Amino acid sequence: NAGVMQNPRHLVRRRGQEARLRCSPMKGHSHVYWYRQLPEEGLKFMVYLQKENIIDESGMPKERFSAEFPKEGPSILRIQQVVRGDSAAYFCASSPTGDTQYFGPGTRLTVL
Amino acid sequence: QKEVEQDPGPLSVPEGAIVSLNCTYSNSAFQYFMWYRQYSRKGPELLMYTYSSGNKEDGRFTAQVDKSSKYISLFIRDSQPSDSATYLCAMSSTNSGNTPLVFGKGTRLSVIA
Repeated sequence: NAGVMQNPRHLVRRRGQEARLRCSPMKGHSHVYWYRQLPEEGLKFMVYLQKENIIDESGMPKERFSAEFPKEGPSILRIQQVVRGDSAAYFCASSPTGDTQYFGPGTRLTVL
Repeated sequence: QKEVEQDPGPLSVPEGAIVSLNCTYSNSAFQYFMWYRQYSRKGPELLMYTYSSGNKEDGRFTAQVDKSSKYISLFIRDSQPSDSATYLCAMSSTNSGNTPLVFGKGTRLSVIA
């Protein structure tokens, strides 16, 4: 049973470009969570999705950030017009029922 | 006051030592507690999950929860160099997934051979 998969593992963007981060949950998991980890900081919750629905986006910045989890395919975290402050590791986690969360390897975004 | 406080370390111990890692929290609504291990440039790996006060043991790892003091601990017995990692505590008020996990900043542990 493959774990949570994230790609790309590393992403470099220039200021003003768009970043798309993808997450494929573990098989059978319908709950997906996105977290951001800044250097020397803990993981900060961003958004919680189930298939085709955003359940909780209280941790998402109001502008430039969006997330989706379509019926088919991976969950996508999209950051428009990236700025240097968006440089961080972005982790996706999945859960079968919403209790224990299993994390992917993360995408490290660098904004030049 | 932050919701979850965790000493960032670094903590350095000799191989074979008993390691004690701790978190305190301020939100009495937290009922579910987790410890994750994160190796450098990797994703967090779930180590322990508990929801009641008291101790839970799994191999060399023991998780302890004291809800009255709002204090949780992770003990590692017979520590090994392979235990060198950052340990993150996390907690939630429900187990339904509808409330997000709140993490501590993590404690960086080095076990020296």
